[in-house]
Amino acid sequence: DGGITQSPKYLFRKEGQNVTLSCEQNLNHDAMYWYRQDPGQGLRLIYYSQIVNDFQKGDIAEGYSVSREKKESFPLTVTSAQKNPTAFYLCASHGPIYGYTFGSGTRLTVV
Amino acid sequence: AQKVTQAQTEISVVEKEDVTLDCVYETRDTTYYLFWYKQPPSGELVFLIRRNSFDEQNEISGRYSWNFQKSTSSFNFTITASQVVDSAVYFCALSRFSGGYNKLIFGAGTRLAVHP
Repeated sequence: DGGITQSPKYLFRKEGQNVTLSCEQNLNHDAMYWYRQDPGQGLRLIYYSQIVNDFQKGDIAEGYSVSREKKESFPLTVTSAQKNPTAFYLCASHGPIYGYTFGSGTRLTVV
Repeated sequence: AQKVTQAQTEISVVEKEDVTLDCVYETRDTTYYLFWYKQPPSGELVFLIRRNSFDEQNEISGRYSWNFQKSTSSFNFTITASQVVDSAVYFCALSRFSGGYNKLIFGAGTRLAVHP
């Protein structure tokens, strides 16, 4: 079945540590996105990529980094510069047939 | 600027009641898409509907119906005869109609609790 796989489902980060969230899709979509969700708020765009080896900052990119070396993969790194990383992170892709497809999310907690 | 407002933060109803979730949007684009997503406690976003700006027909899908009115920039969602399984957070979203980059602008969401 086609879709988006995010891993891990739960992630714990120590202060000052970088962590990487995985996002893989087998939908052959060019465009991929990372969103952050905080309690009581909608999803906010962190980064997006329209094509391999290209990505752009979204509304809240500070403290995050991404790469897009393969069409199928769009990992998100939460760096130590992100002061409040505890949140729910959703990856999405967009294509002409399926439209937007979302992963099941990663819940990141700072310990 | 593009913006989506869901003024209702939380709604609580008793099973079998009808409930309407409000969504008001702002955009300067003449062509755009509007969406509704459901987020159950497990966290994933479940697609419910997409409506483009040229199609103002209301839509009904089982117990779900949507009322799109460009004159008031609203895209409201009604659940008829609500059930406990409808309990979730519901998001309204707006995106640009474009062959290239598509960005979803989300509202803050409405948490719906349906009690037996």
